[in-house]
Amino acid sequence: EAGVTQFPSHSVIEKGQTVTLRCDPISGHDNLYWYRRVMGKEIKFLLHFVKESKQDESGMPNNRFLAERTGGTYSTLKVQPAELEDSGVYFCASSQDSVQETQYFGPGTRLLVL
Amino acid sequence: GDSVTQMEGPVTLSEEAFLTINCTYTATGYPSLFWYVQYPGEGLQLLLKATKADDKGSNKGFEATYRKETTSFHLEKGSVQVSDSAVYFCALSDRGGGGGNKLTFGTGTQLKVEL
Repeated sequence: EAGVTQFPSHSVIEKGQTVTLRCDPISGHDNLYWYRRVMGKEIKFLLHFVKESKQDESGMPNNRFLAERTGGTYSTLKVQPAELEDSGVYFCASSQDSVQETQYFGPGTRLLVL
Repeated sequence: GDSVTQMEGPVTLSEEAFLTINCTYTATGYPSLFWYVQYPGEGLQLLLKATKADDKGSNKGFEATYRKETTSFHLEKGSVQVSDSAVYFCALSDRGGGGGNKLTFGTGTQLKVEL
């Protein structure tokens, strides 16, 4: 069974540009989460999808971040326009349902905004 | 809100030494507790978990016991190996109202094991 995959693995962009991160969860997992680790600090929750619906987006830092999960399969996280403080590692995780609590993480996308 | 505090690293040990990484938490509800590990160049992997008080999670020689009275979930291993070098994250799942199970993480503790 394939794990959670993320693309790209690394992205270097200039301030003001747009970047789109993609996450493919484990097949059959309805729950999809986005997290971010900035500057070696703690990993922080961004948002949670159940299928294609946003269950909780309380961690989204501002309206420059837009997450989608069309069709309830893969998800994208777009940052537009990117700022220096957006640099960090963006992790995606998925779980089968709300009872199955174990979240399986992808390898992360390392974003550097110059 | 919920929070997790874990000991700062880096922690450097000799092979076969005993490891303890302290983790304490604050939660409004009754959380599940997790240890995740990130090996160099890889993503986060679940190491072990515990879902209720006095439960002991264990995997690969690592153990942690859910202590509700001290709100702690310390990670231990009796004899570390060079291959255990990684960053270890303590986390809790709120299991709060409305479901969701979002994870709250500590800052991570880098462990380096030397020969």
